[in-house]
Amino acid sequence: GQQVMQIPQYQHVQEGEDFTTYCNSSTTLSNIQWYKQRPGGHPVFLIQLVKSGEVKKQKRLTFQFGEAKKNSSLHITATQTTDVGTYFCAVIRGGSEKLVFGKGTKLTVNP
Amino acid sequence: GAGVSQSPSNKVTEKGKDVELRCDPISGHTALYWYRQSLGQGLEFLIYFQGNSAPDKSGLPSDRFSAERTGGSVSTLTIQRTQQEDSAVYLCASSLGGLAGREQYFGPGTRLTVT
Repeated sequence: GQQVMQIPQYQHVQEGEDFTTYCNSSTTLSNIQWYKQRPGGHPVFLIQLVKSGEVKKQKRLTFQFGEAKKNSSLHITATQTTDVGTYFCAVIRGGSEKLVFGKGTKLTVNP
Repeated sequence: GAGVSQSPSNKVTEKGKDVELRCDPISGHTALYWYRQSLGQGLEFLIYFQGNSAPDKSGLPSDRFSAERTGGSVSTLTIQRTQQEDSAVYLCASSLGGLAGREQYFGPGTRLTVT
């Protein structure tokens, strides 16, 4: 089945440093979604990428979809303590409509 | 508008008992998903409902788990003869459905503890 590898599993940064998480697939993806889950909370949709090479920005967050549509990244510039949480990528499982989530990258930010 | 709601928010049960978890999706959302999340872990897909189609049950871990969705709206996840390894947060999500890739809106989850 279609799976995604998400790295790193954990990332600790000092406030103000940048952060990047990556999602990689061995097969071509139709699209990819990103979610954020705050500690003790539930996942919240951030964005969906569909086009090859697509880049989207949300304030300090930059999302990219690879040219081959096999990988994606989420980059946060100048992290803040409010960025703390786990970031998940999610892809459509081949042949169905259900999302398969990556294992997530847990971000901690030291003030 | 109202988001996805789940009840109860917390459930403590004894091993061997049955439990029912409820999910009220966003009105008009035809797709409904159940996930399980163990402490500090990712999201484990359990079951997916889309409109009147037969549900995708491929993620249910055993025959002790079942789910139904009545009237295309409210869904109930039932776990029979609970085991300690069933302890987790059970998350429900809904989406507009129909086309793959629709964003999912998650409920706050039910934290299940089996003692």
